[in-house]
This record gives sequence, structure tokens and C-alpha cells, in this order.
Amino acid sequence: SQELEQSPQSLIVQEGKNLTINCTSSKTLYGLYWYKQKYGEGLIFLMMLQKGGEEKSHEKITAKLDEKKQQSSLHITASQPSHAGIYLCGADKNRGSTLGRLYFGRGTQLTVWP
Amino acid sequence: DSGVTQTPKHLITATGQRVTLRCSPRSGDLSVYWYQQSLDQGLQFLIQYYNGEERAKGNILERFSAQQFPDLHSELNLSSLELGDSALYFCASSLRDSRFYNEQFFGPGTRLTVL
Repeated sequence: SQELEQSPQSLIVQEGKNLTINCTSSKTLYGLYWYKQKYGEGLIFLMMLQKGGEEKSHEKITAKLDEKKQQSSLHITASQPSHAGIYLCGADKNRGSTLGRLYFGRGTQLTVWP
Repeated sequence: DSGVTQTPKHLITATGQRVTLRCSPRSGDLSVYWYQQSLDQGLQFLIQYYNGEERAKGNILERFSAQQFPDLHSELNLSSLELGDSALYFCASSLRDSRFYNEQFFGPGTRLTVL
């Protein structure tokens, strides 16, 4: 079955530190999505990556899809308490005419202490 | 605020009952997706509609059904509820249909508790 493995499962960093969250698949990723979730709340869309080697940034968050399209990383520079939450990677189950059936990793719980 | 609204926010009911969850997509979005998030299963895709038509099915139980109405709002009906159906149910919407990669915007969710 298709699975997305996220690592680490949880991360505790001091404010101002950089951090990286990884999302790995055993199969080719055709569409890779990063979301942030506050516990018990809805998901906030961060970025979508499609092409191997693609890199996108928004404020202090950068996401990259590797050339082989089997791993994505999310990097936060100079972390702040507002970055705390659960980061989820999601991917399209198929390619072609049935996109949108996203399957998700189990998430990375990020805590940023001042 | 994603622009996707879901009601109710919380729902507490008993086993064997039936409930309806409602979702209004972002203005202009034609696709609606339903997901279930539980501690043991994580976030799982249930079903997708585009402009009133069912487009894709995921891990949706036969006791569950959904539809999208002409005004594009969607309802997820859960019947013969079991304890294991307790979860957060999310609706998401996107502009285009399933032939295209497009970001999905999630609503705040409905927390269902089955007692």
C-alpha cells in the first residue's frame, strides 16, 4: 500500500533554531502537499510541489521535492512559537484523471519554546 | 480562515444513530472532498465530488454516503453509527476537478463523538 513516512514524529526546538521535517515515499510522488494543523483544528495549506527538484518558499518555510520525487523536506528557518503545530505531508494517490485522492503521513508535531 | 465552512462544529450522538455533516466550499470552488481523521488511522480520504458528480471514492464505509447539491454545498451522511466512527471529519474544496493538481483548502472540521 502507498504510505508516506514522516520524520521525526515530534520535534522540540528552541526559538530561533532551524529545523527540517522529512516526508518519504516508497513510490514516486506525483503531487506533494504540505499542510499545518493546530491540534483539533483544520489544515492550513502551505505549499504544493509537483516537479522533481522543485523548491518553494513562503516567509521562513521552504519545501523541496527531490529529483527522484520520492522525498520531500520542509525547512523552517529561525523558528518562532507561531510555527508550532502538526505538519502533515500529503500526496496524490494516482496520476492522470483521478488526482485529489490525497493520502497523508501521520504528521510531525513541532513545539517551539521561547 | 480558508473560506470553507462546516457545521456543526461538534456532534455527540449514540450508537446506531444517523447524522448529517454539512460543508460549504470556498466561493468558486467546484470540487469538494471529505476526509476522516482519527488517532489510529490518521487522515484518510473518503470521497470527492465535482460540480455535483461523484469523482473518486476512498476508504468510505457503506454506512456512509455523501452528495453535492446544485449550490455546491455538500453533505456527508453517517448511519448506524459505531463507537469507532468517532473522529474529526474534514471537508476540503478546490477549484478544479481531479484531472489537475490543485491545492485543497480545508474547513475547520466537525468533531463527532459516538457514545
